[in-house]
Amino acid sequence: IVMTQSPASLSVSPGERVTLSCRASRSVFNSVAWYQQKPGQAPRLLIYGASTRATGIPARFSGSGSGTDFTLTINSLQSEDCAVYYCQQYNDWSFGQGTKLEIK
Amino acid sequence: QVQLVQSGAEVEKPGASVKVSCEASGISFAASYIHWVRQAPGQGLEWMGWINPNSGSTNYAQKFQGWVAMTWDTSISSANLELKRLKSGDTAVYYCAADGGSGSFDYWGQGTPVTVSS
Repeated sequence: IVMTQSPASLSVSPGERVTLSCRASRSVFNSVAWYQQKPGQAPRLLIYGASTRATGIPARFSGSGSGTDFTLTINSLQSEDCAVYYCQQYNDWSFGQGTKLEIK
Repeated sequence: QVQLVQSGAEVEKPGASVKVSCEASGISFAASYIHWVRQAPGQGLEWMGWINPNSGSTNYAQKFQGWVAMTWDTSISSANLELKRLKSGDTAVYYCAADGGSGSFDYWGQGTPVTVSS
């Protein structure tokens, strides 16, 4: 299963809302997770089951979607949200290529 | 508290083999596989496969079949990843990760850099 993320990168001002997209090459039902990775660090689980926040993840992170189309929304963007975000489907565990989020 | 602690950085020559370990604590292996993921410099995440600590069964991504081996050492609760016949393209950070009940990768090791260079 191929996971395709868009856009590849974007730059957003603090306080704004950003939406990242992920499309699966075939239906993965709701078996999608989102991860945040900062430079030099291991990825961190943000969302699983397409829309469930992992333990300790702030409420401004939310996920939605099912089937083949999924989104990660970050409300009230903060400087510490600067990172690369990956989606993953856990039917056969493949990752998207990532979206690099920069803060203006 | 779940912890995945990986072994240190490795430098190997092309054609050699390398073994990376991931010592796990605080996790229920009854419901959790150990996965391996690699990340080449400046690139994205690539799933390599998993091992079931209870049975020792493995499942490798097709790309890695035949030259990667995942094992489990029950005595020290450690997963091992062996890479054989290394090439320069295998230079990457290798992560172990575990499912904590979400179905995805709740827990990650700190990563082990492997450099393949002559």
